[in-house]
Amino acid sequence: QLQLQESGPGLVKPSETLSLTCSVSGGSISSSIYYWGWIRQPPGKGLEWIGGIYYSGSTYYNPSLKSRLTISVDTSKNQFSLKLSSVTAADTAVYYCARRSYNLGSPYMGPFDYWGQGTLVTVSS
Amino acid sequence: QSALTQPASVSGSPGQSITISCAGTSSDVGGYNFVSWYQQHPGKAPKLIIYDVSNRPSGVSNRFSGSKSGNTASLTISGLQAEDEADYYCSSYTSSNTLDVFGSGTTVTVL
Repeated sequence: QLQLQESGPGLVKPSETLSLTCSVSGGSISSSIYYWGWIRQPPGKGLEWIGGIYYSGSTYYNPSLKSRLTISVDTSKNQFSLKLSSVTAADTAVYYCARRSYNLGSPYMGPFDYWGQGTLVTVSS
Repeated sequence: QSALTQPASVSGSPGQSITISCAGTSSDVGGYNFVSWYQQHPGKAPKLIIYDVSNRPSGVSNRFSGSKSGNTASLTISGLQAEDEADYYCSSYTSSNTLDVFGSGTTVTVL
């Protein structure tokens, strides 16, 4: 059974960089039929797509976060990571990593079919 | 890219059917059959219940069904049960540079 697990600091100071890693077990991150993504949810609010990555390293970012965002993949560790710079209180949220099942040739990266449990990141001094 | 529009709340009695709408545009919901629905219980991660407008992943109850008409997608829950009380989000591919857009979310209450 595929499992995803987010890890990283739960508290980040304003203006610093938020860093999270998603560890994938029970399956390979290097498969060509999956994308891997990040989604966040501010407390009491809805879901926001952050961005995604393919095993080859191709990335897709939400334009509203693109200038501050870096998503990377480490196939040797079966992990992918997120870095969000210059954070403010507005970046406080539960951050989820998820797998997307991709149809080759489609413009769509696919639905999020497996999710991590999520990790709360609070931005505060 | 604005979020897809969903009603804030929908309620129903056990055994009834309810429908949640997800209104978009021709650039997202109306233009592609790439609409998904997610169920989220409090404190839990979202769970995929419908993909590609009307397909159910393995293990998802057939009480959940999806459809689309024009720029609006819909999720119907039939035979409403107490365990269906949760938040529901739609999502769609979009031809805008955002690529993905989520709905605003709907809270389902079982009376």
